[in-house]
Amino acid sequence: GNSVTQMEGPVTLSEEAFLTINCTYTATGYPSLFWYVQYPGEGLQLLLKATKADDKGSNKGFEATYRKETTSFHLEKGSVQVSDSAVYFCAQVKAAGNKLTFGGGTRVLVKP
Amino acid sequence: NAGVTQTPKFRILKIGQSMTLQCAQDMNHNYMYWYRQDPGMGLKLIYYSVGAGITDKGEVPNGYNVSRSTTEDFPLRLELAAPSQTSVYFCASSSVGVTSGTEAFFGQGTRLTVV
Repeated sequence: GNSVTQMEGPVTLSEEAFLTINCTYTATGYPSLFWYVQYPGEGLQLLLKATKADDKGSNKGFEATYRKETTSFHLEKGSVQVSDSAVYFCAQVKAAGNKLTFGGGTRVLVKP
Repeated sequence: NAGVTQTPKFRILKIGQSMTLQCAQDMNHNYMYWYRQDPGMGLKLIYYSVGAGITDKGEVPNGYNVSRSTTEDFPLRLELAAPSQTSVYFCASSSVGVTSGTEAFFGQGTRLTVV
């Protein structure tokens, strides 16, 4: 079945460090891929997305590229801030469905 | 600017009790969803709805019921609470199906503990 696997946290970084969160998916066809972020005490909100192979989603300094050959959608940011401390979820939805499938989430803590 | 509103934010239930988690959205979205989030796990879809009067099961529907009598509201009912239903519940909505890459908007969640 369809699934999403992402690296376990927590990930602890210093401010201005480089962040990578790995995400791989299994699916038939060409799913749409998403990164959602959950700040403390809040619901999830969309960070970025990509709907076809080789698309790059970007927002707030974060980027992720849809890699069909490696079935991956890794999230990166070149210089993190304390305000980036949150839980990040990778998700997919297959072409013929309306159900988001989420990874387990990765908690990121950025220290000053 | 409410978006998706869930009530209550916190609740403690005793085993066997029942309750309804409320969810309302003011964006005129057709699609609504209920997820549960267990510690260290991703979100699991419980039920979803593609419009008023239409609901369908997700991955983990057992122990829950839903109804969708209006576009705005999508309540989730627990009839006989069990400890396995201790979780954080999120309601979400989207204008069209998320298949096309449409963003889903989430509420702030309801933290439920069954003791």
